[in-house]
Amino acid sequence: EVQLVESGGGLVQPGGSLRLSCAASDFTFSDYWMHWVRQAPGKGLVWVSRISDAATSTWYADSVKGRFTVSRDNAKNTLYLQMNSLRDEDTAVYYCARPLAGTRNAFDIWGQGTMVTVSS
Amino acid sequence: QSVLTQPPSASGTPGQRVTISCSGSSSNIGSNTVNWYQQLPGAAPKLLIYTNNQWPSGVPARFSGSRSGTSASLAISGLQSEDEADYYCASWDDSLNGLVFGTGTKVTVL
Repeated sequence: EVQLVESGGGLVQPGGSLRLSCAASDFTFSDYWMHWVRQAPGKGLVWVSRISDAATSTWYADSVKGRFTVSRDNAKNTLYLQMNSLRDEDTAVYYCARPLAGTRNAFDIWGQGTMVTVSS
Repeated sequence: QSVLTQPPSASGTPGQRVTISCSGSSSNIGSNTVNWYQQLPGAAPKLLIYTNNQWPSGVPARFSGSRSGTSASLAISGLQSEDEADYYCASWDDSLNGLVFGTGTKVTVL
């Protein structure tokens, strides 16, 4: 079954760091651009970042630029999000998402999400 | 904050048709395709419509999408109780160089 499984979420103090992972299975991970999307409790969806298939290009939302870094290991079929200088407003469920083949931004496969709580 | 504006809520009785609007600008909907997602409570979003009006495998045809100028819309025909969910539009924004989601619309089946 095509699947994405996030891990690495948890409770962190403001100013702290966390690295999220997203393990992909049952599809050719290296063929796809990949994304991170987050959702604060009770709020809407917010796009966070995108990385190209060979990791040669990355894109970020202005709210995380300079603090978050997206990367991938195609040999391990894993996507990462390194989050530094975390703020209260970064508290959210973080989803990794794969676009439908032939598109770059229509996400047909989502992970179950991992919760990140930034609080002192 | 979101640059795509949706009505916060919409409702209908079973069997009715409900339409959700998504208003953007020339840098997003006006020049890029629109996708629509359904999110049930406690679940990850599900792709409903891609490239303005295309159905992913398994999505019933009673969901339909359209785009005109800088706006898009999602229509749900033959409303069913299981359609009660949050709905989001999304489009790439060339000015922000990033993806933008709509503010979200909660659909209630009366």
